[in-house]
Amino acid sequence: GESVGLHLPTLSVQEGDNSIINCAYSNSASDYFIWYKQESGKGPQFIIDIRSNMDKRQGQRVTVLLNKTVKHLSLQIAATQPGDSAVYFCAETYGNNRLAFGKGNQVVVIP
Amino acid sequence: NAGVMQNPRHLVRRRGQEARLRCSPMKGHSHVYWYRQLPEEGLKFMVYLQKENIIDESGMPKERFSAEFPKEGPSILRIQQVVRGDSAAYFCASSLNRELNTEAFFGQGTRLTVV
Repeated sequence: GESVGLHLPTLSVQEGDNSIINCAYSNSASDYFIWYKQESGKGPQFIIDIRSNMDKRQGQRVTVLLNKTVKHLSLQIAATQPGDSAVYFCAETYGNNRLAFGKGNQVVVIP
Repeated sequence: NAGVMQNPRHLVRRRGQEARLRCSPMKGHSHVYWYRQLPEEGLKFMVYLQKENIIDESGMPKERFSAEFPKEGPSILRIQQVVRGDSAAYFCASSLNRELNTEAFFGQGTRLTVV
């Protein structure tokens, strides 16, 4: 069943600094991974994706790193801005295209 | 292009009533997914549907919950005889095809409160 809600891990970062958010995924057969950003009261918003045949992918101000050996995913945000304050989820996909989400990390940007 | 549209945004139901949540996928998308989110939790998969077919309902409770995606009209998530534990945000996502590397776009969610 559903677990009792827990406080999310929180990363506080100074505006302009870089942020790194980490995620451990569960299924070694997963071959596609997505980072989503969720602001309060809104739905998840796609940030960046990566396939399992890659170990790094860059977007605008964001970089995703994939380490399949230890089943670890990270999201790096360069020059963090106040608008980056949100909860960030990693998601993996396997079978039937459904996404399995991690618990999320809260990012708080300090002006 | 309109994104994934969900309605209502907020829904209040008394215990024992029925809740109907609607999701209109993005134009051209024929794959719909429903997720549930409790406060400070990640999204939990419930069901995956294509037009007129349920593909995977392994995340949906066997009792009181049902989902459909008819040939015409939105996808509906139906919860009968709601209980307090059903209070959550319900998100719908749609994708263009079934490929394993297809991005899914999410709606803004329906926040269900059972009183």
